[in-house]
Amino acid sequence: QVQLQQSGPGLVKPSETLSLTCTVSGYSISSGYFWGWIRQPPGKGLEWIGSIHHSGTTYYSASLKSRVTISLDTSSNQFSLQLNSVTAADTAVYYCARSVSGSHDYWGQGTLVTVST
Amino acid sequence: DIQMTQSPSSLSASVGDRVTITCRASQSISSRLNWYQQKPGKAPKVMIYEASNLQSGVPSRFSGSGSGTDFTLTISSLQPEDFATYYCQQSSVTPYTFGQGTELEIK
Repeated sequence: QVQLQQSGPGLVKPSETLSLTCTVSGYSISSGYFWGWIRQPPGKGLEWIGSIHHSGTTYYSASLKSRVTISLDTSSNQFSLQLNSVTAADTAVYYCARSVSGSHDYWGQGTLVTVST
Repeated sequence: DIQMTQSPSSLSASVGDRVTITCRASQSISSRLNWYQQKPGKAPKVMIYEASNLQSGVPSRFSGSGSGTDFTLTISSLQPEDFATYYCQQSSVTPYTFGQGTELEIK
């Protein structure tokens, strides 16, 4: 059974960097598929942030591309999100997910990240 | 970016009703359309992938159809556990984009 477990701080100060990690169990991320991040501002809809192929190729949302990095750590079977220079508009629940031909079939539990002093 | 527009934004229905939610893409996406169900405080769950394929474990009362720009999600006989918010998502080109959601409420 594939499981994704998210970790990372729930509070980030404005202008700092948001960092989240997703640990995968039940499947080796180096074996295939894309691994991605989606976010959801409170009370709003879903926004795709980006994804990384098991080979290391990345794809990002155009609106976030200048601030976002998604990376793989195959030795730990993890992938990570970094979002730089955050503002209050980046406050959201962040989800990690496995992507199979663009359909997200396994999700993490979600992490509410609040950007505030 | 491809824009996804769902209708209606909200829908009230009763247990046993047949309901249909539509999703329109701003350009052709072939059959690269997925449907998700989200309940409050939970991660979304994929119900239908590539327009008409039922995800493993999803009840057969859920079905999807369409291609090109127009798609539908149908629930043939609503059950209490189906009341949730539903999102469509295109996976034809990155950035993948979601519809704004349809909130399905109990009448």
